[in-house]
Amino acid sequence: QVQLVQSGAEVKKPGSSVKVSCKASGGTFSRYAISWVRQAPGQGLEWMGGIIPIFGTANYAQKFQGRVTSTTDESTSTAYMELSSLRSEDTAVYYCATDFGSGSFYPWGQGTLVTVSS
Amino acid sequence: EIVLTQSPGTLSLSPGERATLSCRASQSVSSSYLAWYQQKHGQAPRLLIYGASSRATGIPDRFSGSGSGTDFTLTISRLEPEDFAVYYCQQFGSSRPGYSFGQGTKLEIK
Repeated sequence: QVQLVQSGAEVKKPGSSVKVSCKASGGTFSRYAISWVRQAPGQGLEWMGGIIPIFGTANYAQKFQGRVTSTTDESTSTAYMELSSLRSEDTAVYYCATDFGSGSFYPWGQGTLVTVSS
Repeated sequence: EIVLTQSPGTLSLSPGERATLSCRASQSVSSSYLAWYQQKHGQAPRLLIYGASSRATGIPDRFSGSGSGTDFTLTISRLEPEDFAVYYCQQFGSSRPGYSFGQGTKLEIK
């Protein structure tokens, strides 16, 4: 059973960066297609981008191009999402989730709250 | 970019009733890559349906998905108290790699 465990909540200043981690257990990490999805308070789900570890390639939503970077460390089965130039509108819960080829996300991490405030 | 529009925004029903949720795409979506999720307050989304009509592991058979092309439907045949939540549809675009979600339908107790 694949499980994803994310890093803890963060509080950041506007203009800074945040790096969220997502550690996977169970299964073969190189087969994971890990994506990042965020949810602002009271809002819907928004796909940010993701990486397919075995190819080492990432795809990002146009909205986040240039500000988000997805990386993986196969030695620790951990994926990372770094978002730069933070602004208050980036305050959200950030989720990692895997797609094993069905075009859908299962399972999901528990979410990481990132608060951007001066 | 494919835009998914869900309707209604809010659906008020009673336990035991049938719920029908709609998801319309701005252009044709492969049925293989249309999914539905349930989200309760403070929890991560839960995959219900993938491939437009296949139930995910452990999902009760009162949940069913249908549709093709640009119009998809999630049906809950007989609402249980635990079904009142927010529901999202989601698609994957293989020709232009990326995913998108609908804005959600809130299913509330009448």
